[in-house]
Amino acid sequence: KAGVTQTPRYLIKTRGQQVTLSCSPISGHRSVSWYQQTPGQGLQFLFEYFSETQRNKGNFPGRFSGRQFSNSRSEMNVSTLELGDSALYLCASSLEQGEYGYTFGSGTRLTVV
Amino acid sequence: KQEVTQIPAALSVPEGENLVLNCSFTDSAIYNLQWFRQDPGKGLTSLLLIQSSQREQTSGRLNASLDKSSGRSTLYIAASQPGDSATYLCAVVDSSYKLIFGSGTRLLVRP
Repeated sequence: KAGVTQTPRYLIKTRGQQVTLSCSPISGHRSVSWYQQTPGQGLQFLFEYFSETQRNKGNFPGRFSGRQFSNSRSEMNVSTLELGDSALYLCASSLEQGEYGYTFGSGTRLTVV
Repeated sequence: KQEVTQIPAALSVPEGENLVLNCSFTDSAIYNLQWFRQDPGKGLTSLLLIQSSQREQTSGRLNASLDKSSGRSTLYIAASQPGDSATYLCAVVDSSYKLIFGSGTRLLVRP
C-alpha cells in the first residue's frame, strides 16, 4: 500500500516568487492536512481539505492557499515568498477526521533565498 | 486553546536503558493522541495511536498510555537501542480535528 507522496522533495526559490507543493494521500483517504515545520515554531497547522473543501484553516496569512482535487490529491501554494517561509512542509492524510490516525509524507524542504 | 508540552526536551541515555517520555495537554476534549518519531530532515513516522476511549497501546518495545482526565500521556521505550535515536513528537487531535503538536523530545541512545 503506497504511503503519502510529496513532491518535490527539495525546492530553492527567490524572495517574491511563488511555489506550488503537491501531496498524494494514501488511496482511500479523503482528508489531507498541511503543516509547516520550522526550528523556531515547531509544527504548525496550515489547513485541511476534505472532499475538495477546506474544512479547517490555521493562522497563516492569505499568501498560503491550497486546494484538493476529486482524486484527493492536494496542492499547496505560497505566493510572494518571504525568507521566513523557509521550512519543511509536511502533508498528512487520514480516512475521515483522524479517528484512525494520520500518516505523514516525507515532506518538501523549501528554502527561500 | 489546546497546548501540548513535552518533557524532557532532550535526553541522552546509554544503550539498554528503559526510558519514559512525557506529554501533557491542557484541554481534555481530545479525539485521540498520536506519538510520532522524526529522524533529522525527514517526515514523521507514526508509532502509536491511542483513541480517546483507550488507556494504552503497545507495539513491540513501545508502550503509550493516556490519561485524559489529567491531560497526560507517556511513551515508554524498553531496552533502548542506538537506532531509537530521533525526535519523538506527541500530538493530540483537538475538537476541530486538527493535530496539535508538542515541541518534541530529542533522544540520543549512546552505544
